[in-house]
Amino acid sequence: AQKVTQAQTEISVVEKEDVTLDCVYETRDTTYYLFWYKQPPSGELVFLIRRNSFDEQNEISGRYSWNFQKSTSSFNFTITASQVVDSAVYFCALSEASGGSYIPTFGRGTSLIVHP
Amino acid sequence: KAGVTQTPRYLIKTRGQQVTLSCSPISGHRSVSWYQQTPGQGLQFLFEYFSETQRNKGNFPGRFSGRQFSNSRSEMNVSTLELGDSALYLCASSLVGGTAYQETQYFGPGTRLLVL
Repeated sequence: AQKVTQAQTEISVVEKEDVTLDCVYETRDTTYYLFWYKQPPSGELVFLIRRNSFDEQNEISGRYSWNFQKSTSSFNFTITASQVVDSAVYFCALSEASGGSYIPTFGRGTSLIVHP
Repeated sequence: KAGVTQTPRYLIKTRGQQVTLSCSPISGHRSVSWYQQTPGQGLQFLFEYFSETQRNKGNFPGRFSGRQFSNSRSEMNVSTLELGDSALYLCASSLVGGTAYQETQYFGPGTRLLVL
């Protein structure tokens, strides 16, 4: 069974600090997808990134970067020079490909608070 | 281009009643997924529809059902409401395939259901 663990329940930083959100996953599949979503106070989920299990290249998008390491089953998310607008709950998710059923499992989320 | 819209935004029902929530995807999107978010269980996948067919289903009882119309609009229905069904119900749309394809999912603002 698939499982996603976001051990950090809440992180509080001051603006301009770098912050890393951890995500550890469990799966028996060799083919799977990993995701990060952002949920601002408004409640609407925002898709940030998708990674498939065969692509371990790190990705950078502006101030956001993701580090995927299959050896440690981790898919961590770093925000560089954080801003107040980054304050939100961030969810990591895993979707296995077994049987063609791509049902996602979400972590419990990490609440990021960025203080001015 | 209009985003994903969900109606109603807020709803109060009593135990035993049934409820129907509606989701209109982004124009041209054919895949619609539904999610339930509660403080206790977190974010959970309900089901995904594509071309009027349910393609994937999460681990929810039969009281939860859905359908998709030819214009890709989707409805989900919960019968015999229980207190535990109080949640934020999120809908997401994408061009072709929910989580399995290399495309972005766009989420609606959600419907907040309170069961008394």
